[in-house]
Amino acid sequence: SAVISQKPSRDICQRGTSLTIQCQVDSQVTMMFWYRQQPGQSLTLIATANQGSEATYESGFVIDKFPISRPNLTFSTLTVSNMSPEDSSIYLCSVGDEVYGYTFGSGTRLTVV
Amino acid sequence: RKEVEQDPGPFNVPEGATVAFNCTYSNSASQSFFWYRQDCRKEPKLLMSVYSSGNEDGRFTAQLNRASQYISLLIRDSKLSDSATYLCVVNRAGNTGKLIFGQGTTLQVKP
Repeated sequence: SAVISQKPSRDICQRGTSLTIQCQVDSQVTMMFWYRQQPGQSLTLIATANQGSEATYESGFVIDKFPISRPNLTFSTLTVSNMSPEDSSIYLCSVGDEVYGYTFGSGTRLTVV
Repeated sequence: RKEVEQDPGPFNVPEGATVAFNCTYSNSASQSFFWYRQDCRKEPKLLMSVYSSGNEDGRFTAQLNRASQYISLLIRDSKLSDSATYLCVVNRAGNTGKLIFGQGTTLQVKP
């Protein structure tokens, strides 16, 4: 299965600022997925990032708040913009398929103060 | 109603016990099913995919009942290292990668 390097692993940010999270995959993949895991909750899909096109966002998530870049087939970034304490969560990227399952990055633990 | 429902537990069992987790899903068109394991403060890791015929991997057995929209995971001879949260995960029909996660079932295996 693919190996994903995600960074930063954690950050503490001031409200109103933005944080960009990076995911690097050791192989080329068509789609990358970004998830959020709020405290005590399970994972929720934010968006699907395709190379060469705009990301597709799930209900409740918008591009202005969570802009995504996908410059090539091995890399993606998620930015959490204009942060508030409610954005404090773990953010994870993922790659994979229905046959072999999905692999997750190690996550970015974000605390907004 | 949540798309994927699990009993959150916790399940507290002694070493060597057999424990079963259940999960139901609401979208009958769902196509792919997985069990993931998540340790505290770690990312989820794939435990096993779930196939219609049922599948086994060592001490772990997964079953799928499409008619009842029900998935199960059986762990035999529980080890201390099995202590974790087990996530039932369903792939939305026709949407690769759009995984719907259950809230997870917490297992604590005690000596």
